[in-house]
Amino acid sequence: KAGVTQTPRYLIKTRGQQVTLSCSPISGHRSVSWYQQTPGQGLQFLFEYFSETQRNKGNFPGRFSGRQFSNSRSEMNVSTLELGDSALYLCASSREGQGSNEQFFGPGTRLTVL
Amino acid sequence: GENVEQHPSTLSVQEGDSAVIKCTYSDSASNYFPWYKQELGKRPQLIIDIRSNVGEKKDQRIAVTLNKTAKHFSLHITETQPEDSAVYFCAASSGANNLFFGTGTRLTVIP
Repeated sequence: KAGVTQTPRYLIKTRGQQVTLSCSPISGHRSVSWYQQTPGQGLQFLFEYFSETQRNKGNFPGRFSGRQFSNSRSEMNVSTLELGDSALYLCASSREGQGSNEQFFGPGTRLTVL
Repeated sequence: GENVEQHPSTLSVQEGDSAVIKCTYSDSASNYFPWYKQELGKRPQLIIDIRSNVGEKKDQRIAVTLNKTAKHFSLHITETQPEDSAVYFCAASSGANNLFFGTGTRLTVIP
């Protein structure tokens, strides 16, 4: 079974631009969560999608948004990029809809904002 | 919200020795505690997890213990090998698919 995939793997943007990142979960997994990883703040939860609905949200500004499609693929969008948005963005998928379940991470998208 | 603290931030051990990493959490509703290993430039990989109805779990050289009363859990790696060198993250979750992570421990196993 193929693992979680993310595209693109690397991205360079300038301040003020917007960016869209994509995540394809493991086949059969319906939940997709997004995390931001930075040296200073570590791994922080952004949001989780299940059945095309955002079910949980972390403490990030409204510039960070996401969506999930009927095939469980998910995208996250960051608008009006700031230098501090430079980070590794990881998505993780899990099989079940409720409860604490194993999350499998993708390789991440490394975003650099200049 | 949940707050997970992890110690130590760095740990160096001789090959063959044991390594212990400790985490504490604040939310008594947390019931799932996974541990992830992240090698340089790679994705976090789940190495072991424990749920709140269990006090200890072991998988070969790796074990995790959980003390719900004290709200702390620990990772134990025995007979360490150079390939165990990585950053280890603990995490906690209260029933939703959102993990609260510790700040990570950089483990170095010296051959």
